[in-house]
Amino acid sequence: DAGVIQSPRHEVTEMGQEVTLRCKPISGHNSLFWYRQTMMRGLELLIYFNNNVPIDDSGMPEDRFSAKMPNASFSTLKIQPSEPRDSAVYFCASSDRGGSEKLFFGSGTQLSVL
Amino acid sequence: GESVGLHLPTLSVQEGDNSIINCAYSNSASDYFIWYKQESGKGPQFIIDIRSNMDKRQGQRVTVLLNKTVKHLSLQIAATQPGDSAVYFCAEIVNFGNEKLTFGTGTRLTIIP
Repeated sequence: DAGVIQSPRHEVTEMGQEVTLRCKPISGHNSLFWYRQTMMRGLELLIYFNNNVPIDDSGMPEDRFSAKMPNASFSTLKIQPSEPRDSAVYFCASSDRGGSEKLFFGSGTQLSVL
Repeated sequence: GESVGLHLPTLSVQEGDNSIINCAYSNSASDYFIWYKQESGKGPQFIIDIRSNMDKRQGQRVTVLLNKTVKHLSLQIAATQPGDSAVYFCAEIVNFGNEKLTFGTGTRLTIIP
């Protein structure tokens, strides 16, 4: 298996633009998580899905952030409009259990908002 | 509020020596803990986990110790190798199956050749 696949690896955009991050979880995994990593805050859970259904989005910072999981093999995290403080590494992770133990992380998307 | 924190932000160890990375947690209700390793430019990678009904668990060259009395977790890496250089995070779950991992701030381990 190729593992969790995220795209793009790097994204540079201007403030106000829409940004869409993509994730393909490991086949057969039924839970998907979006994390954000910054030097100041470390790793923060934004939202997670179980069987394609959003379970907890309390970590989503603002209404500018939205996430979808239209099917078991694809998820998106969208920021609209983007702001410089959104600059971070965004990780997608999946697990094959109902709980989040043994998360398998993707390589992340480095987002820079200018 | 409740948080997971690390005593040492950086640690340098001579290659071949053993290393110990420490983690303090404040939520006594946490019942499941995981150690992750993150290499530069990569996502965190699962190393080892332990449930609160255990105080020790061993893997390949790694051992996790849990002291619930003082709410302390440690990761021991034996015979360190250059490939062990990374940032190590402890993470906790309150109520196993809850699905929400809380990560600590991380410790950077550097292996000196």
